[in-house]
Amino acid sequence: DGGITQSPKYLFRKEGQNVTLSCEQNLNHDAMYWYRQDPGQGLRLIYYSQIVNDFQKGDIAEGYSVSREKKESFPLTVTSAQKNPTAFYLCASSGTGRQPQHFGDGTRLSIL
Amino acid sequence: QKEVEQNSGPLSVPEGAIASLNCTYSDRGSQSFFWYRQYSGKSPELIMSIYSNGDKEDGRFTAQLNKASQYVSLLIRDSQPSDSATYLCAAPPGYSSASKIIFGSGTRLSIRP
Repeated sequence: DGGITQSPKYLFRKEGQNVTLSCEQNLNHDAMYWYRQDPGQGLRLIYYSQIVNDFQKGDIAEGYSVSREKKESFPLTVTSAQKNPTAFYLCASSGTGRQPQHFGDGTRLSIL
Repeated sequence: QKEVEQNSGPLSVPEGAIASLNCTYSDRGSQSFFWYRQYSGKSPELIMSIYSNGDKEDGRFTAQLNKASQYVSLLIRDSQPSDSATYLCAAPPGYSSASKIIFGSGTRLSIRP
């Protein structure tokens, strides 16, 4: 089935550690996105990519990094510079930037 | 800054009644709008898309778009407890080349038995 796969579902980070969240899609979508959601809050855009080998910062990019080497994959690294990383991370994709986005099931990141 | 605004709620509606969720947007150039449903602890799910003025119906859901007044609404008829969720409105920018959709912060809907 076509869809977006995020892994792992739960992730724990130690102080000073970088962690990488995986996002893979087989929808042949050009655009991919990463959002952060805190409890009871809306979606905040971290990074987005409209084409392979290109990406743009969203509203809260500090402490995060991404790559887009393949159309299907858009991994997010939460670096040690992100001091409050505990949140629900959502990956999404769309055919173009103006088309509706489809979401993966999310990754919950917590601090040990 | 282009915005999409929603009342955060919670909106409490009795079971079987009509739930009405509203969204206003600032970008007059926006041509299409999307409604997402997000259950607690889950990811958002696209439930309706609307591209032109007027109403679009899909089962118990009706999306309404009024471009002149810059609002879009979602009506849920015969509300069920399973409709209890947060509903997000989203719109792509009208004329900006930075083409990514903007999400509202969501309205929390609670259907009471």
